[in-house]
Amino acid sequence: AQSVTQLGSHVSVSEGALVLLRCNYSSSVPPYLFWYVQYPNQGLQLLLKYTTGATLVKGINGFEAEFKKSETSFHLTKPSAHMSDAAEYFCAVSESNTGKLIFGQGTTLQVKP
Amino acid sequence: DVKVTQSSRYLVKRTGEKVFLECVQDMDHENMFWYRQDPGLGLRLIYFSYDVKMKEKGDIPEGYSVSREKKERFSLILESASTNQTSMYLCASSSAGTGALDIQYFGAGTRLSVL
Repeated sequence: AQSVTQLGSHVSVSEGALVLLRCNYSSSVPPYLFWYVQYPNQGLQLLLKYTTGATLVKGINGFEAEFKKSETSFHLTKPSAHMSDAAEYFCAVSESNTGKLIFGQGTTLQVKP
Repeated sequence: DVKVTQSSRYLVKRTGEKVFLECVQDMDHENMFWYRQDPGLGLRLIYFSYDVKMKEKGDIPEGYSVSREKKERFSLILESASTNQTSMYLCASSSAGTGALDIQYFGAGTRLSVL
C-alpha cells in the first residue's frame, strides 16, 4: 500500500532563504506524486505534480520538486522564500488505479521577516 | 477554471443534530471525495464516489454517510453529530479520464463546530 511521510510538521525560514520541505513515499508501482498548498482558511491548491518523464518538476510561485526513485523522495524547494509563501504544504501520492490520493500529515511553513 | 463549491464556510451545530454538508462541482467530473482535516493528521478520506449513486468507504467512514443523486453534487451527512466530529471538511473532485492524472480539485472547506 502507498504511504507518504512528511518530515517536520513545522518549518521556519527567513524571508529570502531557501525553502526545503521533505517528502518520502512508499509505493510498489511508479507513482504519481503531488504537492498541494493550503493558504489560511482556504482549500488545497495544486502546486506541482510528477507523473512520468523529467524528474525535476516546476510548479507555480517558483516552487520545484525532484523525484528521486532511489531515495523514494519528492522534496519541495524554492530558492528564496517570500512572506506570501507562509502556508501549509501537503505531499500526496496517487493510489494506483483508484483515483484516490494518499496525503502526508502536512508541513506548516513559517516565513520570518 | 474548475470550481468546487462547498455550501457553507462555517457551521455550528448541536450534539445529536443531523448535519448536511453540500458540495457542487462544475467540471462534469466523475469522481468526488470528502475528507476531514485535523491538525497533525493531514487529510483523511471519509467517502468517495466514482459515479452517480455510487459510493465507497474511505478510511474513516464511521458516523458519516453520503449521497450522490446528481453527477455534480456530493453530500456528506452526519446522522447524529458528535463533538469529535468538529473539524474542517474538504470536498474534492477529479476526472476519471486517462489523461486526468488523478489531479483533485478542492473546495474552500467547511469548518464545522459541534457543541
